Amino acid sequence: DIVMTQSPSSLAVSAGETVTINCKSSQSLLSSGNQKNYLAWYQQKPGQSPKLLIYLASTRESGVPDRFIGSGSGTDFTLTISSVQAEDLADYYCQQHYSYPPTFGSGTKLEIK
Amino acid sequence: EVQLQESGPGLVKPSQSLSLTCSVTGYSITSNYWGWIRKFPGNKMEWMGYISYSGSTSYNPSLKSRISITRDTSKNQFFLQLNSVTTEDTATYYCARSNYPYYYVMDAWGQGASVTVSS
Repeated sequence: DIVMTQSPSSLAVSAGETVTINCKSSQSLLSSGNQKNYLAWYQQKPGQSPKLLIYLASTRESGVPDRFIGSGSGTDFTLTISSVQAEDLADYYCQQHYSYPPTFGSGTKLEIK
Repeated sequence: EVQLQESGPGLVKPSQSLSLTCSVTGYSITSNYWGWIRKFPGNKMEWMGYISYSGSTSYNPSLKSRISITRDTSKNQFFLQLNSVTTEDTATYYCARSNYPYYYVMDAWGQGASVTVSS
């Protein structure tokens, strides 16, 4: 199985700041066939179910604000949240959708100061 | 708008079977892929498996001998059965939808069902 390693495990920022969450995979998630990276990001707010933010490393799901930006390639990926808002308080998970079985990172807890 | 809702017992005894139902509204389960994901205390998440629009299944190898996902298309429901549970199966269980060709990207989730395995 592909192991997904996320960092940091938690962070606290003030509203308006920019946040970077990192995700590293134990194998490349880049498809040689279509040159796409098979990495997704989810947001889970307190008391809610996970919500898909981004797939294929950088494709935002419909309705996701453009302050959520996914980037990276191969084994190293980043979720950037620009101008963080109070409503962004949540746990964030990366997940590889490159190979069976899909696997998740351990999560990053984002707190707002 | 698709909506998914899990239901089932919140407490299961060790060695017994865990059974959950996912009721889907606003979308037919004869399209797309329908799966189960669980989140353990401590926040680790595990993809358990899915049942496809045609009824074919795919399971996480870590669970392959214990898991079964089935469906009732007349009720637009699909089901999870996990056999021989232990306390390590205590988790919140989510049902979710995936779309072709990204079978492993879950774009709609249920609210989750908390299941405790304890005697």
